[in-house]
Amino acid sequence: KAGVTQTPRYLIKTRGQQVTLSCSPISGHRSVSWYQQTPGQGLQFLFEYFSETQRNKGNFPGRFSGRQFSNSRSEMNVSTLELGDSALYLCASSLDAPRGEQYFGPGTRLTVT
Amino acid sequence: TQLLEQSPQFLSIQEGENLTVYCNSSSVFSSLQWYRQEPGEGPVLLVTVVTGGEVKKLKRLTFQFGDARKDSSLHITAAQPGDTGLYLCAAITGTASKLTFGTGTRLQVTL
Repeated sequence: KAGVTQTPRYLIKTRGQQVTLSCSPISGHRSVSWYQQTPGQGLQFLFEYFSETQRNKGNFPGRFSGRQFSNSRSEMNVSTLELGDSALYLCASSLDAPRGEQYFGPGTRLTVT
Repeated sequence: TQLLEQSPQFLSIQEGENLTVYCNSSSVFSSLQWYRQEPGEGPVLLVTVVTGGEVKKLKRLTFQFGDARKDSSLHITAAQPGDTGLYLCAAITGTASKLTFGTGTRLQVTL
């Protein structure tokens, strides 16, 4: 079956703008988690959605938000972009995270200039 | 302070050598996972260890969960260039029940 897909793969934005990233999970998976990966901080948990509800949230400011649709597809939004938001944003789907196996997408590389 | 500390941070070895990567914490975990991430891709789950003292083998990779369930190690025998990548340990943490990743070990295996 098809893996996790993320769009776009690469994105360049300027400070102050906002951005929306999309994630399509593996068919049948109801849990979608988002992570931010940077060289300095490593892989950090942003939030997890299950059946359209945010179930867990990491320690990120309110500029980072997300949602999940009835077909389990998820989007995350970052408003008022800062240079420090430049990172690889990874989405992972699971039957039921975090205990179930998580399958990661290839990520969206966001560069903020 | 990172919850899961991995060592070493970087490792560059030649094909055929053996190596061990460590994942340490002061916390006790119910389970621990190991992932490998290759450039341009997301992490891929290699193994989940659940029982203290457990040893799991995946071809040339051997994973061990510490008796006290606070640490884990990954041993690779006769490394190959295809083993190159970022190795991450991860554990479910706290009441928030989220997956927390370690600091990572970047491995490069050259011919």
